[in-house]
Amino acid sequence: GQSLEQPSEVTAVEGAIVQINCTYQTSGFYGLSWYQQHDGGAPTFLSYNALDGLEETGRFSSFLSRSDSYGYLLLQELQMKDSASYFCAVRPFLAGTALIFGKGTTLSVSS
Amino acid sequence: EAGVTQFPSHSVIEKGQTVTLRCDPISGHDNLYWYRRVMGKEIKFLLHFVKESKQDESGMPNNRFLAERTGGTYSTLKVQPAELEDSGVYFCASSQNSLAGGPRNEQFFGPGTRLTVL
Repeated sequence: GQSLEQPSEVTAVEGAIVQINCTYQTSGFYGLSWYQQHDGGAPTFLSYNALDGLEETGRFSSFLSRSDSYGYLLLQELQMKDSASYFCAVRPFLAGTALIFGKGTTLSVSS
Repeated sequence: EAGVTQFPSHSVIEKGQTVTLRCDPISGHDNLYWYRRVMGKEIKFLLHFVKESKQDESGMPNNRFLAERTGGTYSTLKVQPAELEDSGVYFCASSQNSLAGGPRNEQFFGPGTRLTVL
């Protein structure tokens, strides 16, 4: 089967840097995506890695290594508003365009 | 531009009753997806429409679930009869057609419908 593993919870303080890892078992996929979901809200797209390496978007960066079956989301200069759930997701070649998600990581940022 | 909207935001029903969830995708998006998240677990794919056609319904749990997308605009997901294990948050997402969206083809999610079956 196909699965993505993430830590269930991460805590950090304002201004810190946090890395949320995602390891996966899947036969082949187009790219690794990250979504953010605030309590009761819609998951919103954060980043996408089609190729190995680092993608940077402001305070957020995402990394993919297909050879290691591993990716991560890096959040810098943490703010209280970054407290949310973060999901990694892939779109496998054999699954049409549907996304396969990890269970999500709850990030709590304190002052 | 309006985002993906879902109705109702919450629904509490008793086991054996029927519930219909509605999703209005972003205007012009051909692809419409239904997902479900059971508490503490991953967001799981249910089915995918391209316009009014069901492209993939491999994630539908059983025949108590019926999805429609008449006219290729909004979609409904009916659960009949509802069981306790159907409780969860049902998300709808939409995306452009494959040519316009490219390999990334970002999916835009609605806020979900929280279904509680008692």
